[in-house]
Amino acid sequence: GAVVSQHPSWVICKSGTSVKIECRSLDFQATTMFWYRQFPKQSLMLMATSNEGSKATYEQGVEKDKFLINHASLTLSTLTVTSAHPEDSSFYICSARDSSYEQYFGPGTRLTVT
Amino acid sequence: DQQVKQNSPSLSVQEGRISILNCDYTNSMFDYFLWYKKYPAEGPTFLISISSIKDKNEDGRFTVFLNKSAKHLSLHIVPSQPGDSAVYFCAASVSEKLVFGKGTKLTVNP
Repeated sequence: GAVVSQHPSWVICKSGTSVKIECRSLDFQATTMFWYRQFPKQSLMLMATSNEGSKATYEQGVEKDKFLINHASLTLSTLTVTSAHPEDSSFYICSARDSSYEQYFGPGTRLTVT
Repeated sequence: DQQVKQNSPSLSVQEGRISILNCDYTNSMFDYFLWYKKYPAEGPTFLISISSIKDKNEDGRFTVFLNKSAKHLSLHIVPSQPGDSAVYFCAASVSEKLVFGKGTKLTVNP
């Protein structure tokens, strides 16, 4: 089956620093990847849609200058949280869509900003 | 305004019995509905889906029912097994985007 990996799985950073999270589709090519954020006991909220070779499309209320998304290849998308603050602490999950439009989710990255 | 609602944060059932998880939605433009299962610190895994043109889809122990007029769908698991214990998310799709509910934590007791 389709596998999506994320790295790192858990990261702690200091307030004001930047953190990069990688999302990889391991056995298929994904022209589209999605980034979600989940706060405790809340639903997964779509942050942005990432298309290979083009700019990401951000959902309303998501700062594109703070959450930088790069989809440089058909198997890799990165999310960089710039100038992280404690309120950015969350569970970040990516998904990758294959040619059948099925979305496969990564295991998530737990970000804690101190 | 939450477009996909799972009003029961938790559900506990006995092994072998039926588990029924419910989901309501408000956006009539949703054309595809999915159920995901999620363990702690892991990403959601796809379980079963249903197109808006159907009212039932079955896959083994899992059946999803869709009532478009009521904007309601449900996931039935029968018989329930302890390994089914997880958080179940209902999701709805429109224009390739998924909108998730808050999830229902299912506990199946041996």
